[in-house]
Amino acid sequence: EPEVTQTPSHQVTQMGQEVILRCVPISNHLYFYWYRQILGQKVEFLVSFYNNEISEKSEIFDDQFSVERPDGSNFTLKIRSTKLEDSAMYFCASSGPGEHQPQHFGDGTRLSIL
Amino acid sequence: QKEVEQNSGPLSVPEGAIASLNCTYSDRGSQSFFWYRQYSGKSPELIMFIYSNGDKEDGRFTAQLNKASQYVSLLIRDSQPSDSATYLCAVTGGSYIPTFGRGTSLIVHP
Repeated sequence: EPEVTQTPSHQVTQMGQEVILRCVPISNHLYFYWYRQILGQKVEFLVSFYNNEISEKSEIFDDQFSVERPDGSNFTLKIRSTKLEDSAMYFCASSGPGEHQPQHFGDGTRLSIL
Repeated sequence: QKEVEQNSGPLSVPEGAIASLNCTYSDRGSQSFFWYRQYSGKSPELIMFIYSNGDKEDGRFTAQLNKASQYVSLLIRDSQPSDSATYLCAVTGGSYIPTFGRGTSLIVHP
């Protein structure tokens, strides 16, 4: 069964450093998403990406964050200058084609900011 | 602000019993409803989705939707210890971006 893959599984970074989280969505999916989940809290939407551009973003997704689809398979989330409060699980998901389709999540990247 | 409410639990049921998980949502225009299972430290795993009023069954799982009451539930029949996890309700409306509830912790004890 096709799945969303994320790398790395765990990233430890010093505060102020840049991190790039990588995702390979399911191949025939058209909608891509990043979510985060702080330990013990709910899953929070960050950004969605469709047709090579951001379609929606939340208040969390400020100028420190960016997303890219550098080639036909990868989907990346960059955090430019990490803060302690960026420590969380980051999940990539994909869905479609078609709106209101269920989202399939990757295993996540645990980001720890020191 | 769209809200999705779930009782955080834990809901504790004996092995073999029916577990009933509930979710209410605030946006009357909501169109799609999803249940995810999340084991501790793992990612959400899709269990079921439902779009229309009524029941939808898949194996031991049944999703029930009542749009008039803005209520969606998940029943797990013949609960097993391996079903112990947090169950997330997610709802989409005019936007296809789902709003997640905080999840209900389910414990199935032998």
